[in-house]
Amino acid sequence: SAVISQKPSRDICQRGTSLTIQCQVDSQVTMMFWYRQQPGQSLTLIATANQGSEATYESGFVIDKFPISRPNLTFSTLTVSNLSPEDSSIYLCSVKNTGELFFGEGSRLTVL
Amino acid sequence: AQSVTQLDSHVSVSEGTPVLLRCNYSSSYSPSLFWYVQHPNKGLQLLLKYTSAATLVKGINGFEAEFKKSETSFHLTKPSAHMSDAAEYFCVVTCYGNNRLAFGKGNQVVVIP
Repeated sequence: SAVISQKPSRDICQRGTSLTIQCQVDSQVTMMFWYRQQPGQSLTLIATANQGSEATYESGFVIDKFPISRPNLTFSTLTVSNLSPEDSSIYLCSVKNTGELFFGEGSRLTVL
Repeated sequence: AQSVTQLDSHVSVSEGTPVLLRCNYSSSYSPSLFWYVQHPNKGLQLLLKYTSAATLVKGINGFEAEFKKSETSFHLTKPSAHMSDAAEYFCVVTCYGNNRLAFGKGNQVVVIP
């Protein structure tokens, strides 16, 4: 199994600012993912965080808006830049370990 | 590319009655299928998974699901609903050798006392 800690659990931000979300895993994992869950919606994959190289972004998501760091096999950050109200969502970190996906409890972002 | 369809975005069941959540998938190759549950303000928790072994899969909290290739379905059932089952449920598909997941839109389950 894998235990994932995400910080912050929630935040309220002003438009135009940025928020960085941290994801810490209790074991070394190869695959780490960042998802977005907009209000009333399902999860959408933003990107795969690759250790030692640039993240792989899904269609519709770009590095300038969602820069990701992955300095080692247990930690990653997602930054949501130049915030607008449309960025209000839950952002979830996920890891794949022994064929199973594990999720953090999410970071709920509200942009005013 | 794989995809998942979950109908009935909101499902109401009476406590003690059966729960049925429908999931149909589309996949080019051999799929792996999962059901996750998300309680309010909590992360997603794996209920059960199918990965080409037995087609009837038993999960936690009394849930089970049956993989039916001919119907491309992976419906989730529980014989008797409990108040603690009130949550959102997501059906998820991925393909062998593919780390991409496709999430269904979810079923919000309400349990009526």
